[in-house]
Amino acid sequence: QVQLVQSGAEVKKPGASVTVSCKASGYTYSYYDIIWVRQTTGQGLEWMGWMNPNSGNTGLAPQFRGRVTMTSDSSRSTADMELSSLNSEDTAVYYCARGVRNFLYGDHWGQGTLVTVSS
Amino acid sequence: EVVLTQSPGTLSLSPGERATLSCRASQSVRSNFLAWYQHKPGQAPRLLIYGASSRATGIPDRFSGSGSGTDFTLTISRLEPEDFAVYYCHQYGHAPRNFGPGTKVDIK
Repeated sequence: QVQLVQSGAEVKKPGASVTVSCKASGYTYSYYDIIWVRQTTGQGLEWMGWMNPNSGNTGLAPQFRGRVTMTSDSSRSTADMELSSLNSEDTAVYYCARGVRNFLYGDHWGQGTLVTVSS
Repeated sequence: EVVLTQSPGTLSLSPGERATLSCRASQSVRSNFLAWYQHKPGQAPRLLIYGASSRATGIPDRFSGSGSGTDFTLTISRLEPEDFAVYYCHQYGHAPRNFGPGTKVDIK
């Protein structure tokens, strides 16, 4: 069955960077995109961006350009999302999802990774 | 950017009742590329509907999506206890893709 398993919770200081990993299994990794979404405390879902693991192409929401880097290791079927220059407003649960290519809705989701930014 | 507005913010209903959730876009969503997700605390979002009206794999037929252009609706015909959650619409027809603010369906 399709599974996306994310890395564990992180605590970071303001100004630091964090990398969240997403390991996919149960499907052909290169056939689908990976999308990243976050939910800040008490708020709704926020679209961060997507990545095509085949080509390396990415598309980021404007508010994350310059701060987010998405990469992929096809040999391990793993996608990484790095968020830099963290501040308290980045405290959130970060989700990866399998994105249907050319459509980018998420049909299978990871369990979420809590990132806490605190001094 | 396409702005999505969902109404109502909160819907208080009893099990067995019908739920009607609205999602309105600030401009016509290309090819009706509109999805609906269910989200419960501590869980991953769950895809319910894509393409405005296509039910995702394994989703019960009490969930249905309709609409086109700028106005979309998610209907839950008879609420089951496990349906009480937050529901988000998501447009993926225009960059940047984005979500609506959500509708919370809680127990009356």
